[in-house]
Amino acid sequence: DAKTTQPNSMESNEEEPVHLPCNHSTISGTDYIHWYRQLPSQGPEYVIHGLTSNVNNRMASLAIAEDRKSSTLILHRATLRDAAVYYCILRHLSGGYQKVTFGIGTKLQVIP
Amino acid sequence: KAGVTQTPRYLIKTRGQQVTLSCSPISGHRSVSWYQQTPGQGLQFLFEYFSETQRNKGNFPGRFSGRQFSNSRSEMNVSTLELGDSALYLCASSTGLAQGGTGELFFGEGSRLTVL
Repeated sequence: DAKTTQPNSMESNEEEPVHLPCNHSTISGTDYIHWYRQLPSQGPEYVIHGLTSNVNNRMASLAIAEDRKSSTLILHRATLRDAAVYYCILRHLSGGYQKVTFGIGTKLQVIP
Repeated sequence: KAGVTQTPRYLIKTRGQQVTLSCSPISGHRSVSWYQQTPGQGLQFLFEYFSETQRNKGNFPGRFSGRQFSNSRSEMNVSTLELGDSALYLCASSTGLAQGGTGELFFGEGSRLTVL
């Protein structure tokens, strides 16, 4: 199964942009890149996903490298509420079934 | 729209006992997947059920099992509990349809199991 690699932790100042990297060098052509985040004492929540092109939504932007072996989640202005563990995962079809493999995640600390 | 509901939220068991956890997915969702979260291992996939059938399974021993009912509610069972089974168990629901991996997972808040 294709796996992802993320830094264990990152820090950001409040109201500054944050770039969270993810490496997925063994990604296959049918793998979608998804990002989830987990706030303290909560289950993970969906943030954004993409296949090849960069994507934007109200929460964040996703920049995908041309060779798709890495991607970056961009929070344009970090707030204290963005302090969470961010997971980069690949969603793919395996033997006709969906199978999800989570990375260890990046713990983002936002400094006031 | 009600979210994913997991019960119980907290429970304490002793080694050798068994435990059953329940997950009610979002109405209309047919897929339920289960995850174990521990500080050292992060989020690990246990199994996924779709329309009462197990579609995929992670690398966990046979002590971990699950099932899904016709109303899509799912249960997971852990038998002969070990200290290392102490963890947060999360379930996620989705439509489960093969949409090229685009479907969003909706997680519950988890059931925190402590094994003494």
